[in-house]
Amino acid sequence: DIQMTQSPSSLSASVGDRVTITCRASQDISTYLAWYQHRPGKVPKLLIYAASALQSGVPSRFRGSGSGTGFTLTISSLQPEDVATYYCQRYNTAPWTFGQGTKVEI
Amino acid sequence: QEQVVESGGGVVQPGRSLRLSCAASGFTFSSYAMHWVRQAPGKGLEWLAVIPYDGSNTYYGDSVKGRFTISRDNSKNTLYLQMNGLRPEDTAVYYCAKVAVAGTLHWGMDVWGQGTTVTVSS
Repeated sequence: DIQMTQSPSSLSASVGDRVTITCRASQDISTYLAWYQHRPGKVPKLLIYAASALQSGVPSRFRGSGSGTGFTLTISSLQPEDVATYYCQRYNTAPWTFGQGTKVEI
Repeated sequence: QEQVVESGGGVVQPGRSLRLSCAASGFTFSSYAMHWVRQAPGKGLEWLAVIPYDGSNTYYGDSVKGRFTISRDNSKNTLYLQMNGLRPEDTAVYYCAKVAVAGTLHWGMDVWGQGTTVTVSS
């Protein structure tokens, strides 16, 4: 199975900081990658699909990039409401594996 | 608006069975693939299973393959997860989620339920 590895596992940043999260696939997955935000007490929310396409309604400070085996989620200016755990997920073939998550704190 | 609501969770002894349901509304259920995802206490999201819009095939994660069965009844707008041989490590919040684009398995999940909690304990 293709493994998804995120880094870092957690980070702390200040409001207004640029935050970058990395997701690496153990094999080429083209751009079959999504990013989700999971806030405490809330349900997961789709942020990015096809590696770089912004889901409707998601603030433009979220940006996804990459293809093949290396992907990045960038928050250009961290806001208090961005405190959450972020997950990448591949969806090219079964199993639809999630990364282990990156916890973002302020 | 588009909504999915899970039910059927509870406390169950190891080795027993449980069936979760997920009622969909606000969209054409029969056009969309559906997933089950879980989150164990203190852990990350774990993908469990997916079924295409027509129920023609099913796919499972390794941890539940052979024990869990995903199915759907498009006439009732309902998704199911039959869980057999439950283990303490199956204790988690179980979410159902809709694939964002009709007719395909290969997309992200845009509508998630609030989850239903399953506790496996003697």
